[in-house]
Amino acid sequence: EDKVVQSPLSLVVHEGDTVTLNCSYEVTNFRSLLWYKQEKKAPTFLFMLTSSGIEKKSGRLSSILDKKELFSILNITATQTGDSAVYLCAVDGNEKLTFGTGTRLTIIP
Amino acid sequence: NAGVTQTPKFRILKIGQSMTLQCTQDMNHNYMYWYRQDPGMGLKLIYYSVGAGITDKGEVPNGYNVSRSTTEDFPLRLELAAPSQTSVYFCASRRVGIDEQYFGPGTRLTVT
Repeated sequence: EDKVVQSPLSLVVHEGDTVTLNCSYEVTNFRSLLWYKQEKKAPTFLFMLTSSGIEKKSGRLSSILDKKELFSILNITATQTGDSAVYLCAVDGNEKLTFGTGTRLTIIP
Repeated sequence: NAGVTQTPKFRILKIGQSMTLQCTQDMNHNYMYWYRQDPGMGLKLIYYSVGAGITDKGEVPNGYNVSRSTTEDFPLRLELAAPSQTSVYFCASRRVGIDEQYFGPGTRLTVT
């Protein structure tokens, strides 16, 4: 059975801090790893990672995948209150996604 | 494109009632998915479909049924609703060979 574990479960930091969110996985027929941001509605897509060691970057967010150690990290620098959300990691294997339980990030002004 | 649309947005059911959650996508995506998300939890796959006429069970299929008679529509049927089915339901779709899933806005269902 495919499995995705995210840590920490929740994180509270001050505005301007840098955070690192972790995602480890076990999946047969790995195709890709995806990060989503979820506020009080449907998840919105952030990144898709397929190759080890290649950083994906979008503004203050970046992510990297290690296929040998089976994990990914999502970094957010200079955090803002608008970054407060649940961040979901999902792994694509066998035509479907397996999601982790998410990391709830709260940014204090 | 409207993307993925879901109806209704909210619904309250009594125990034992039945209902159908509607999902439609206008992107001509082959793959469609139904997830449920309980408070503080990730998304759990209920059913999915890789094309019209083909459906398969996900992680938590019990108490639900689906059909896929067209590429656009993927309704989720609840028979004999139970309080354990209180959740937010998301429908999603994606194109073959493309990993990003597009999500609908969700349906918040309460069974009392």
